[in-house]
Amino acid sequence: SQTIHQWPATLVQPVGSPLSLECTVEGTSNPNLYWYRQAAGRGLQLLFYSVGIGQISSEVPQNLSASRPQDRQFILSSKKLLLSDSGFYLCAWSASDREAFFGQGTRLTVV
Amino acid sequence: TQLLEQSPQFLSIQEGENLTVYCNSSSVFSSLQWYRQEPGEGPVLLVTVVTGGEVKKLKRLTFQFGDARKDSSLHITAAQPGDTGLYLCAGGDFNKFYFGSGTKLNVKP
Repeated sequence: SQTIHQWPATLVQPVGSPLSLECTVEGTSNPNLYWYRQAAGRGLQLLFYSVGIGQISSEVPQNLSASRPQDRQFILSSKKLLLSDSGFYLCAWSASDREAFFGQGTRLTVV
Repeated sequence: TQLLEQSPQFLSIQEGENLTVYCNSSSVFSSLQWYRQEPGEGPVLLVTVVTGGEVKKLKRLTFQFGDARKDSSLHITAAQPGDTGLYLCAGGDFNKFYFGSGTKLNVKP
């Protein structure tokens, strides 16, 4: 069966510091991978998606970037965090446009 | 921009009551999904609907997809405290998923 791992679960970072969130998927090959951000109790905003190694599409211009160095690894990064980068970050994978499977999320607080 | 709007934004009801939440889209998607999310966790898929007019039932939950494939509803019969959570609809299109703003449901015992 397929599983998705996302870490860390919580993170407190100072303004101006770098960020690296990692997500890995097991049990499937060539998945579509996604990074979403969620404001408290609200919907999910699509940040990045990838259909293959090295193929990254950005949905929203921002202070973040994404990379996919391996087939089942997706990384969200920032060189210098802003206060507005705080939020709940979710990684997800899919094999079609009919269902997405999410990780447990990372609660990021920028102070 | 593909936009999905959900209503109501918040819903607080007593155990045993029925409820309906709505999802309306400005676009036609190839599929529409409903997810349920608990605090501090990722959303979990409840159902996917694909065909206009489709109705799916999952125990006490009934999902409908509008004929024009731009609107959907989720009806819960005899709500239970375990139904509490954030309900999200999402449209799937070309390997991307766009989410609505969510309905936060609280079922009081």
